[in-house]
Amino acid sequence: EAQVTQNPRYLITVTGKKLTVTCSQNMNHEYMSWYRQDPGLGLRQIYYSMNVEVTDKGDVPEGYKVSRKEKRNFPLILESPSPNQTSLYFCASSPRPGQGKYNSPLHFGNGTRLTVT
Amino acid sequence: DQQVKQNSPSLSVQEGRISILNCDYTNSMFDYFLWYKKYPAEGPTFLISISSIKDKNEDGRFTVFLNKSAKHLSLHIVPSQPGDSAVYFCAASALGSNYQLIWGAGTKLIIKP
Repeated sequence: EAQVTQNPRYLITVTGKKLTVTCSQNMNHEYMSWYRQDPGLGLRQIYYSMNVEVTDKGDVPEGYKVSRKEKRNFPLILESPSPNQTSLYFCASSPRPGQGKYNSPLHFGNGTRLTVT
Repeated sequence: DQQVKQNSPSLSVQEGRISILNCDYTNSMFDYFLWYKKYPAEGPTFLISISSIKDKNEDGRFTVFLNKSAKHLSLHIVPSQPGDSAVYFCAASALGSNYQLIWGAGTKLIIKP
């Protein structure tokens, strides 16, 4: 089954304790991205990757790191989590990065709910 | 300042009637618009899209209308079904944006039996 898999689904941690949220896709997609969803704000992009070893900042990259060593995996790293990073996180992938009518829709994982106390 | 706005946090519609979800945008460089649907505990799933060269796109019960002069788009669902109850997100991308989507805050649609 074609899918984007995020782990864990739920995570409660304390301020300053490094964590990693994993994301893996089995569709051979070039493009992958991380979003956070907060009430009243929709989804905001954290980082994205156009291909292996190519990553770039989205709208809200502060406090996050990513890596893209393999095509299928795109982990999100919080080196020193803070309470303002409590949110619902989504990983997404797409076969064809681009713009306009050549856009391919994003495929999303089921989300990771992170609570930082 | 939010570039994509969905001003109705929620909408309740009778089963069988038309559901109309609205989305306004401010950036005239947006050239591609998408609607995603999200059920609880799941990620958003793509529903329908429209390019700025069109003013209407239809897919089964779902139709998206784009009014560029008003910077407004709407999603029509006819007839509405109980399975349509979900949160609907409007998103937009601009030429040269490297596929970065700007998302609205979402509208929760409730279909009443």
